[in-house]
Amino acid sequence: DTAVSQTPKYLVTQMGNDKSIKCEQNLGHDTMYWYKQDSKKFLKIMFSYNNKELIINETVPNRFSPKSPDKAHLNLHINSLELGDSAVYFCASSHRPWGGMNTEAFFGQGTRLTVV
Amino acid sequence: GNSVTQMEGPVTLSEEAFLTINCTYTATGYPSLFWYVQYPGEGLQLLLKATKADDKGSNKGFEATYRKETTSFHLEKGSVQVSDSAVYFCALSGDNYGGSQGNLIFGKGTKLSVKP
Repeated sequence: DTAVSQTPKYLVTQMGNDKSIKCEQNLGHDTMYWYKQDSKKFLKIMFSYNNKELIINETVPNRFSPKSPDKAHLNLHINSLELGDSAVYFCASSHRPWGGMNTEAFFGQGTRLTVV
Repeated sequence: GNSVTQMEGPVTLSEEAFLTINCTYTATGYPSLFWYVQYPGEGLQLLLKATKADDKGSNKGFEATYRKETTSFHLEKGSVQVSDSAVYFCALSGDNYGGSQGNLIFGKGTKLSVKP
């Protein structure tokens, strides 16, 4: 069974479109995250939810809106896509918000978004 | 704020060579330290971790020791294999709940290529 699964794995779309990426975890974790990995492999956190409540919202354009219908799901909706949004987006989950103390994060396989 | 600096890659080694990837960090308090590995086309997997000073994390022949005096967590392996070719990320988790200091902060990644 896949612990953290994201769909789709690849997404190619035109500028200006609206798209969503879905994430589900079956680990019973309370906390889920979205990370963006750019072309140089640099990873930066975008959002974090704990028990469906937003706890981290880094400097991300308003066009990006996370939605957590329940603890096991954290979807990412992107409006008015721009060329600079092209990247790999990773979903992750952990037992609790990171604060040291053995909080291992499990990552999905990533969604490669290409905006043309 | 918290930050992680790891050596720039790419690193190219021959099979059975000794590997060191340097990682140093800046953090307040007592962070936890991690090494994650990303194989081609896949998500991130936790390789090893250490949650307090002088702890040694180890897995699959890789080791790293949490050195508070030098704020370092260097990754080592005595004899690399072709299958170790991947991107390696050093990461830090602050010891404060939520917010930016509770984030899992990644270094920029080091690409390792092992030749037969």
